[in-house]
Amino acid sequence: EIVLTQSPATLSLSPGERATLSCRASQSVSSYLAWYQQRPGQAPRLLIYDASNRATGIPARFSGSGSGTDFTLTISSLEPEDFAVYYCQQRSNWPPVFTFGGGTKVEIK
Amino acid sequence: EVQLVESGGGLIQPGGSLRLSCAASGFTVSSNYMSWVRQAPGKGLEWVSVIYSGGSTYYADSVKGRFTITRDNSKNTLYIQMNSLRAEDTAVYYCASVIGSNWFDPWGQGTLVTVSS
Repeated sequence: EIVLTQSPATLSLSPGERATLSCRASQSVSSYLAWYQQRPGQAPRLLIYDASNRATGIPARFSGSGSGTDFTLTISSLEPEDFAVYYCQQRSNWPPVFTFGGGTKVEIK
Repeated sequence: EVQLVESGGGLIQPGGSLRLSCAASGFTVSSNYMSWVRQAPGKGLEWVSVIYSGGSTYYADSVKGRFTITRDNSKNTLYIQMNSLRAEDTAVYYCASVIGSNWFDPWGQGTLVTVSS
């Protein structure tokens, strides 16, 4: 089973700053990785899929990169609504098992 | 607009059963892969189950043999039957469509299941 490890657990930043979040897989997942944002009291929403493709309606300040085992979600300039928890996720080939990372909380400094 | 609305959550005693529903609008449940994901209070996300458009079903080890995912095509609704519930099944349960075979989008608003005596 592939394990996803996210770091840091918490990121304390100010609005306008750049956020860099990391997700490391225990074995290669090629480019099959997604990122989700979850605001307090809300359901998660898809931000990035296939490591670097923005989902519909996601602002350009969100970008994803990486392949293999190391992935990064970058928020170029934090807006107030971006303070939330972010999860990475992958799906193993067979049998299909979906795995999430433990999450990174981006909080206001 | 694509929308998913869960219902059926509540307080249930350990060992009990509960069925959650997820009503879809704006797309056809039977033509898509559909999944359940849960989140224990204050914790991260945990995948529970998926049903493929062809009808194949898969489960996380933590629920295998206790939970069953189904759908009713006539009602355009996804279900999960949860039996032998345990305290550790306490969570908000989200339904989600699976796009590209891999990614969850969109998600419902979730329904809370509390397993406690």
